[in-house]
Amino acid sequence: DQQVKQNSPSLSVQEGRISILNCDYTNSMFDYFLWYKKYPAEGPTFLISISSIKDKNEDGRFTVFLNKSAKHLSLHIVPSQPGDSAVYFCAARSRPRGSTLGRLYFGRGTQLTVWP
Amino acid sequence: NAGVTQTPKFQVLKTGQSMTLQCAQDMNHEYMSWYRQDPGMGLRLIHYSVGAGITDQGEVPNGYNVSRSTTEDFPLRLLSAAPSQTSVYFCASSYSFSRFQPQHFGDGTRLSIL
Repeated sequence: DQQVKQNSPSLSVQEGRISILNCDYTNSMFDYFLWYKKYPAEGPTFLISISSIKDKNEDGRFTVFLNKSAKHLSLHIVPSQPGDSAVYFCAARSRPRGSTLGRLYFGRGTQLTVWP
Repeated sequence: NAGVTQTPKFQVLKTGQSMTLQCAQDMNHEYMSWYRQDPGMGLRLIHYSVGAGITDQGEVPNGYNVSRSTTEDFPLRLLSAAPSQTSVYFCASSYSFSRFQPQHFGDGTRLSIL
């Protein structure tokens, strides 16, 4: 039972335009949400995160929006560049609670292609 | 500062063989974890640890063992390799999990089981 879902396996965007990657989750107890970027033959690289008590976090060209009522978050990349072409993973953290250590749950990823 | 180092980068095994995937970090991170990535499946957690001597199972632990005898190292053992364990394995670490810290990933071990 997937708790973090990325329903679009791929997205193609022209250079200079906005890329919007979407993610849905089912567990209302997640306290942080993260986006990772992955190039082929490399490990995932942390991109940006947002606390569950906020609705927006911005870092340069990257902005993450969180809609808790809809259990939905999105990553906006403006403007998109060819170097942004990669797989983007959405992840959510369940906090440590009692005997549970806490862990990250990942979506299946979205392949972003930015073309010139 | 090497970050998270995984060895080997590639490995081919025969069914039934055992092996250990190594993971080391030099950042004094408390939290370490192992994931596998399969096509269309994203990253699935195998085992994780919040410090020396403390480990727990993730989503897909069957067929794998871990131990954490030092802060730096978190090896993953395949007890009797099966073709279903063909995958790319990633190790990750973060300074703390109780206080939010994003995880740093190694570059992965690509494992094929024949």
